[in-house]
Amino acid sequence: DQQVKQNSPSLSVQEGRISILNCDYTNSMFDYFLWYKKYPAEGPTFLISISSIKDKNEDGRFTVFLNKSAKHLSLHIVPSQPGDSAVYFCAASGDGGDMRFGAGTRLTVKP
Amino acid sequence: DTGVSQDPRHKITKRGQNVTFRCDPISEHNRLYWYRQTLGQGPEFLTYFQNEAQLEKSRLLSDRFSAERPKGSFSTLEIQRTEQGDSAMYLCASSWAPGVRADTQYFGPGTRLTVL
Repeated sequence: DQQVKQNSPSLSVQEGRISILNCDYTNSMFDYFLWYKKYPAEGPTFLISISSIKDKNEDGRFTVFLNKSAKHLSLHIVPSQPGDSAVYFCAASGDGGDMRFGAGTRLTVKP
Repeated sequence: DTGVSQDPRHKITKRGQNVTFRCDPISEHNRLYWYRQTLGQGPEFLTYFQNEAQLEKSRLLSDRFSAERPKGSFSTLEIQRTEQGDSAMYLCASSWAPGVRADTQYFGPGTRLTVL
């Protein structure tokens, strides 16, 4: 049961432009959402999170937007840099400890 | 460096053998999680501990899998009678969660298991 979905397996953007990564979820009990970045041969690195009581959280070049009615969240990276090239995972959790991940979106930022 | 560490980083074994992985969490974290990741997929939750208590197990965790966290610090994940389908990256994460709510999890580099 895929409760968190990232429907775009890949995304390519030009350096300096905006990258928008999307994520949908089905479980209305999820109330905490996170984005992780992953480089090859490394574990996922925490990037940014948002609680369901907010609709936006910003940290430097990274902004996460949450639309609870649509069960949708997105990660905006502005401006995109070549070092941002990685696989980005969306994750969601509710009560308890388990966190559900999407399948990931591979972002390539071209110089 | 005080991040999450995992050992070994790579393990190659023959089908039917037992393997054990170790995870050392961030020292002040009370929760420790195990995930499995296969190619093209996100991490899949296996189990988690709050201190030494194992609070939740996924149905992915068959009876060949066992995890322990005896003193509430490091944890081990053992797979008995390995099968080729067990080949995956096994990820450990830890977090500080003072109550029942989930919190941000920080991941180790993973152990890549290959079963021949």
